Amino acid sequence: AAGVIQSPRHLIKEKRETATLKCYPIPRHDTVYWYQQGPGQDPQFLISFYEKMQSDKGSIPDRFSAQQFSDYHSELNMSSLELGDSALYFCASSLAGEGAEQYFGPGTRLTVT
Amino acid sequence: AQTVTQSQPEMSVQEAETVTLSCTYDTSESDYYLFWYKQPPSRQMILVIRQEAYKQQNATENRFSVNFQKAAKSFSLKISDSQLGDAAMYFCAYRRGTSGSRLTFGEGTQLTVNP
Repeated sequence: AAGVIQSPRHLIKEKRETATLKCYPIPRHDTVYWYQQGPGQDPQFLISFYEKMQSDKGSIPDRFSAQQFSDYHSELNMSSLELGDSALYFCASSLAGEGAEQYFGPGTRLTVT
Repeated sequence: AQTVTQSQPEMSVQEAETVTLSCTYDTSESDYYLFWYKQPPSRQMILVIRQEAYKQQNATENRFSVNFQKAAKSFSLKISDSQLGDAAMYFCAYRRGTSGSRLTFGEGTQLTVNP
């Protein structure tokens, strides 16, 4: 079965640079979520979208922005990168509806040097 | 705000034995869902099992089952006939009953399976 696709899988950036992470949800899934997982930590929710509209917002820094496109894929844009932004970034997708299971992509490992 | 607590940072079990991972949560919502996710060394997040708060019957998926105690706000995961492939970090997660809402995770329990 098709899974969530994230690209790139690994990304190395320098401080103050910009990064763009992409997420392609499972076919027919219309809701996308972004999570950040630091070393030794649980995943922290950043933001989610349903039908291109923001549906929930967590502790996403103002330096980050995200959107969902008409084909349901999503992009997370990160500017003025800091060392503390180094983490594993997960995208998850689900069908609409309360309690729908969220299926996670393999993650993008971002390293900021 | 909802919180999820896993009080066991590490657990170990012998292959073929049974192990139970604990999770408690706090919420004022009446409509919510609970999940267990597994994260092996590959770091992939894999959904293990799901429980609807409105259902009294405990969810079961093959060797994995839960003990859902709504009044106590407890949601433990039982793994029967443990296998080496079960070794992973296990996260308990909570989600409000609203479309598009976030998962709130516990701190995780690292499970070791000894041959």
